[in-house]
Amino acid sequence: AQSVAQPEDQVNVAEGNPLTVKCTYSVSGNPYLFWYVQYPNRGLQFLLKYITGDNLVKGSYGFEAEFNKSQTSFHLKKPSALVSDSALYFCAVRDSGTYKYIFGTGTRLKVLA
Amino acid sequence: DTAVSQTPKYLVTQMGNDKSIKCEQNLGHDTMYWYKQDSKKFLKIMFSYNNKELIINETVPNRFSPKSPDKAHLNLHINSLELGDSAVYFCASSQDPSTGELFFGEGSRLTVL
Repeated sequence: AQSVAQPEDQVNVAEGNPLTVKCTYSVSGNPYLFWYVQYPNRGLQFLLKYITGDNLVKGSYGFEAEFNKSQTSFHLKKPSALVSDSALYFCAVRDSGTYKYIFGTGTRLKVLA
Repeated sequence: DTAVSQTPKYLVTQMGNDKSIKCEQNLGHDTMYWYKQDSKKFLKIMFSYNNKELIINETVPNRFSPKSPDKAHLNLHINSLELGDSAVYFCASSQDPSTGELFFGEGSRLTVL
């Protein structure tokens, strides 16, 4: 069965500091991994994805994520956080053998000025 | 131009009523989805259509029925509404059901009284 875990309900970081939002996954086939952001009362917006190739993936708004196969992780990172990055972040995984797209429980990022 | 549009944005209704939510995408995507987001922000896949064919049908009550008249539209009809149906329902689309990222609508907030 495929699953994805976001172990932190909330992450607080000071503006200008680096941020990390954690995600681990479990799939039986090859993983396709995604990060999305949700602002209040809005739909989810795609940030980045890993399908194959380079383990370091760069995405929108200065975010990047590193695929680590041995640790089954796909953590989201940004070198310098902005107050406007404050939002709800979702990791998602799709098993290459199915069409099912599973979301994590979300991590609320709060960037403090 | 809105890529994925849902109507209505808000829906307040009584228990036992029947209601529909409509979704349209102008991205030319082949695959469309319905997700349910509960009050804790958990996202759960309900249905997915690829070129008008149902490819994902999760364990949802059969009071929920999706309909895809063409690949640009995916509507959700709910019969005999219950209190527990209160949630935000998101429509999404993707070009590729396996590797493609999802493009979400703004959501339809359903409140059942």
